[in-house]
Amino acid sequence: DAGVTQSPTHLIKTRGQQVTLRCSPKSGHDTVSWYQQALGQGPQFIFQYYEEEERQRGNFPDRFSGHQFPNYSSELNVNALLLGDSALYLCASSAGLGQGYYEQYFGPGTRLTVT
Amino acid sequence: DQQVKQNSPSLSVQEGRISILNCDYTNSMFDYFLWYKKYPAEGPTFLISISSIKDKNEDGRFTVFLNKSAKHLSLHIVPSQPGDSAVYFCAATKTWNSGNTPLVFGKGTRLSVIA
Repeated sequence: DAGVTQSPTHLIKTRGQQVTLRCSPKSGHDTVSWYQQALGQGPQFIFQYYEEEERQRGNFPDRFSGHQFPNYSSELNVNALLLGDSALYLCASSAGLGQGYYEQYFGPGTRLTVT
Repeated sequence: DQQVKQNSPSLSVQEGRISILNCDYTNSMFDYFLWYKKYPAEGPTFLISISSIKDKNEDGRFTVFLNKSAKHLSLHIVPSQPGDSAVYFCAATKTWNSGNTPLVFGKGTRLSVIA
């Protein structure tokens, strides 16, 4: 049973560019949340997708957007990259909104470096 | 404004002794608390949780204590093992009937268990 998978593992981009990160949830899960973990910080909630809609959003600018596909996989898009966007981006999945965030399973993350 | 604080960035403990990791929170609305463990190159994994209606929850070598009046929780690991060496994150949320608010994480404490 595959857990949460994320791609790519590492990514280097230049300021001003756009990036797309991908996540496949754990089998049986239909809800995906994205987190940003800056160096020396804890994960910070970006947004959550359920039934292909953004359900909750953290304190992140509109440059951060996402999408969920009918197979429950998800993408995180970041436009106009800033140096401060350099971080580990974590995807977490869970089974239905009612299960709550505490039933989340995290992927290994994508390390994004903006130069 | 950090709502969840882990004031010790690191902790070293001898194998077989007790490890105590501390966490403080400021938002009195939080009613559910979790500990996650993170190894390098892996996503956080859920360890143990506690509801605000309890003051203690135990799972094998791991025990979480909650002091609501002090807005303080702690994770005890007894006995500590070298495999426990990881970064530990405290997280908090507010629950309701149909779900809960996004998890708010502390910055983490790096535990090193020395053989």
